[in-house]
Amino acid sequence: DQQVKQNSPSLSVQEGRISILNCDYTNSMFDYFLWYKKYPAEGPTFLISISSIKDKNEDGRFTVFLNKSAKHLSLHIVPSQPGDSAVYFCAAFFPNQGAQKLVFGQGTRLTINP
Amino acid sequence: ETGVTQTPRHLVMGMTNKKSLKCEQHLGHNAMYWYKQSAKKPLELMFVYSLEERVENNSVPSRFSPECPNSSHLFLHLHTLQPEDSALYLCASSQGERTGGYGYTFGSGTRLTVV
Repeated sequence: DQQVKQNSPSLSVQEGRISILNCDYTNSMFDYFLWYKKYPAEGPTFLISISSIKDKNEDGRFTVFLNKSAKHLSLHIVPSQPGDSAVYFCAAFFPNQGAQKLVFGQGTRLTINP
Repeated sequence: ETGVTQTPRHLVMGMTNKKSLKCEQHLGHNAMYWYKQSAKKPLELMFVYSLEERVENNSVPSRFSPECPNSSHLFLHLHTLQPEDSALYLCASSQGERTGGYGYTFGSGTRLTVV
């Protein structure tokens, strides 16, 4: 049973426009949500996170929105740039003492067209 | 050297071979992880080590054997693998105790091909 789902395997957006990546989850126990970005032949890198007690977190061109009632979060990138082309993974933490356990979605490949 | 370093970057092995993947972190983290990324699948957590003690083993076949000799090094020993084990194997590290939503620092991964 997949607890974190990214239903769009790919997304294509024009440079300068807004990119919106979506993620759904099933477990209401998750208490932190994160987005990672991955380029080919590299490991994922942390992008932005949001606590379950918030509904929005912003960092420069990146904003993450959390809708707990819908168990849905989204990542907005505006304006989109060619360097944003990558695979984006949504992930969620279980509350845990000790080692952190992250559950990942399948990823969405974002392509920014010039 | 900083960050999380994985070696080798690429590995091709036969089904009867024995090989090891290595991961090293210089971030002062005290938890380390092995993840498997197969095509079109989510990243799958394989093993978690916290303070050098294995705290999670997600029903991984015994042909994968992890080792964590200290908080900076993590190995994944491989033997008699199957072609379906071909994937990208990612190592990650974290602070261990929850310090907020900063998640993991990942290595670049080892692309494993089993022939």
